[in-house]
Amino acid sequence: KNEVEQSPQNLTAQEGEFITINCSYSVGISALHWLQQHPGGGIVSLFMLSSGKKKHGRLIATINIQEKHSSLHITASHPRDSAVYICAVQEGNEKLTFGTGTRLTIIP
Amino acid sequence: DTAVSQTPKYLVTQMGNDKSIKCEQNLGHDTMYWYKQDSKKFLKIMFSYNNKELIINETVPNRFSPKSPDKAHLNLHINSLELGDSAVYFCASSHRKTQYFGPGTRLLVL
Repeated sequence: KNEVEQSPQNLTAQEGEFITINCSYSVGISALHWLQQHPGGGIVSLFMLSSGKKKHGRLIATINIQEKHSSLHITASHPRDSAVYICAVQEGNEKLTFGTGTRLTIIP
Repeated sequence: DTAVSQTPKYLVTQMGNDKSIKCEQNLGHDTMYWYKQDSKKFLKIMFSYNNKELIINETVPNRFSPKSPDKAHLNLHINSLELGDSAVYFCASSHRKTQYFGPGTRLLVL
């Protein structure tokens, strides 16, 4: 069974700050997902990665397969980035195992 | 226009009742899922179907029965609802591992 840990659980930062959210897992995976859940409740997939690094706008996701670790970075953070960010790992059979989420609050 | 839709959005019901939640995706994906998000916002997979066939069935009580009439629909029927079933239920579909989530159904059992 894959154990997925995220840190920090809660993060409050000023607008413009560089944000890093970490995710570690215990067992080899086929893919890792970063999801965003807004206060309204909807869940959006930000990234799906199996190696290296991906960038989308101000968001960057990296993964180190050997260390079983991934990070999500947000550059020039903005209040609209306030949300819960969830890491999920996927093993071969499509099953996703989720982390407990990181609640991010960006203060103007 | 909606990619993954769920009905109803809210469901308030009494303990012991039977209820269904419907999910439809118009993305042409082969794989669909049901997830449960508890009061602490923790997400957990319940079921996964690939082209109408059950491929993942986590330790979910038998009172929960998914049904996939075709690959665009995955419905969830819950018998004899209990207080602990109160949660948000998300349907999702996937293509090349990327997940597309429905808006969620907030179930409250009184």
